[in-house]
Amino acid sequence: KNQVEQSPQSLIILEGKNCTLQCNYTVSPFSNLRWYKQDTGRGPVSLTIMTFSENTKSNGRYTATLDADTKQSSLHITASQLSDSASYICVVASGGGADGLTFGKGTHLIIQP
Amino acid sequence: EAGVTQSPTHLIKTRGQQVTLRCSPISGHTSVYWYQQALGLGLQFLLWYDEGEERNRGNFPPRFSGRQFPNYSSELNVNALELEDSALYLCASNNPRGTVRDIQYFGAGTRLSVL
Repeated sequence: KNQVEQSPQSLIILEGKNCTLQCNYTVSPFSNLRWYKQDTGRGPVSLTIMTFSENTKSNGRYTATLDADTKQSSLHITASQLSDSASYICVVASGGGADGLTFGKGTHLIIQP
Repeated sequence: EAGVTQSPTHLIKTRGQQVTLRCSPISGHTSVYWYQQALGLGLQFLLWYDEGEERNRGNFPPRFSGRQFPNYSSELNVNALELEDSALYLCASNNPRGTVRDIQYFGAGTRLSVL
């Protein structure tokens, strides 16, 4: 069964600090891995998408890494801001169709002033 | 450019009732996806419509159904509501034949509470 496990479940850090969120997956076949940010009461918004051959991708203060051998990904947030408070969801795509997505439960990140 | 819009934003129903949720995709997108996000769980795939046809459905009972209209908007219908149907229902759209066909754009969701 395809699974995506994220850790930690929740995280509280001070504004300005860095943090790293983890994603482990057992999805086959593997097409790509995405990170989404979901603000409270809103739909998820795509941050990055990485294919098998990509091991790092940045989007502003967000940097995602992918190790396809160990089936692990991380999302690093640099110099956190209050607006980074959200749930971060790791999603692994299997095959070409958007219906073949396996979603993690997300990491709930709270940035404190 | 308008994003994916969903209505209503919130809904309260009682067990056994029926509900219809609506979604308008981004202009130019032909695919609409429905997901259920229950508290503490990840998004669960419900249905995928493209060009007016149901392309795939997730592991949900038949009382979850929907359709896509010629203008690519979509409805999700849930019959005989159960308490465990309480969740955030998210709609997403994309253009499966476009250059960024993998990226889905999500609406803000409809929060359904079943009492």
